[in-house]
Amino acid sequence: GAVVSQHPSWVICKSGTSVKIECRSLDFQATTMFWYRQFPKQSLMLMATSNEGSKATYEQGVEKDKFLINHASLTLSTLTVTSAHPEDSSFYICSARPAFFGQGTRLTVV
Amino acid sequence: SQQGEEDPQALSIQEGENATMNCSYKTSINNLQWYRQNSGRGLVHLILIRSNEREKHSGRLRVTLDTSKKSSSLLITASRAADTASYFCATDDEGALIFGKGTTLSVSS
Repeated sequence: GAVVSQHPSWVICKSGTSVKIECRSLDFQATTMFWYRQFPKQSLMLMATSNEGSKATYEQGVEKDKFLINHASLTLSTLTVTSAHPEDSSFYICSARPAFFGQGTRLTVV
Repeated sequence: SQQGEEDPQALSIQEGENATMNCSYKTSINNLQWYRQNSGRGLVHLILIRSNEREKHSGRLRVTLDTSKKSSSLLITASRAADTASYFCATDDEGALIFGKGTTLSVSS
C-alpha cells in the first residue's frame, strides 16, 4: 500500500526559531497533500492543503505566514513553523491520500 | 472545521466486553472512515464505509452507517487491553479528512 513518511517524529525548539517538517510519499506521486494539527486531548484539524507547483490552501484561522507550506515536487511537501511560540506546540501530521498518513511530528516549543 | 460529534467522549470497559462508539456528521458524504490513534502516536485506518453501504465488518469491528440520520457507529467486540486508544470518525472532503472529536476508549484487564 501507499507509504507516507514524515520527519522528524519529534522536535524541541526554542521560541522564535523555525522548524521544518517533511512529508514524503515513498511509492506514489502526490499532487496534493494535507497537513493536520492536533492539540493535546483534542481531535485532528485540517490546517492546509498543499498543492504541487502552486500555493497552499489554508483553512480559516490558520496563519499562512506562520505556517509555510512548500510542495515543490510530487513526492515532498514541507511545513515550516516560523517564529515558533509555545502555543504552537502540537502534534502535526500529514496525509498524501485519505487513509495514508505520515507518522506525525510532536513539536514542543520551549 | 470539525464534522460533528462523537459519543461518548470517553468509555471505560473490561476486557471481553463490547464497545460502541457513535459519530454524527453534518454534510452529505461519499464515505465515512474510522481511525484509531494510540496515545501520542499516528493514525491507523480501521475501516471505510461508503454512503451506499449500511454495515461493514472487519474482524472484531462492525461499522454501521445511517445516512438519513447522518450517523455512524463503530462496534468493537470482545475488547482487549490493546484496543485502548482514541477512535475518530472522519468524512472525506475532496481528499481532506474532517474528523470528529473522538472517543477515548480504555479497556482494563
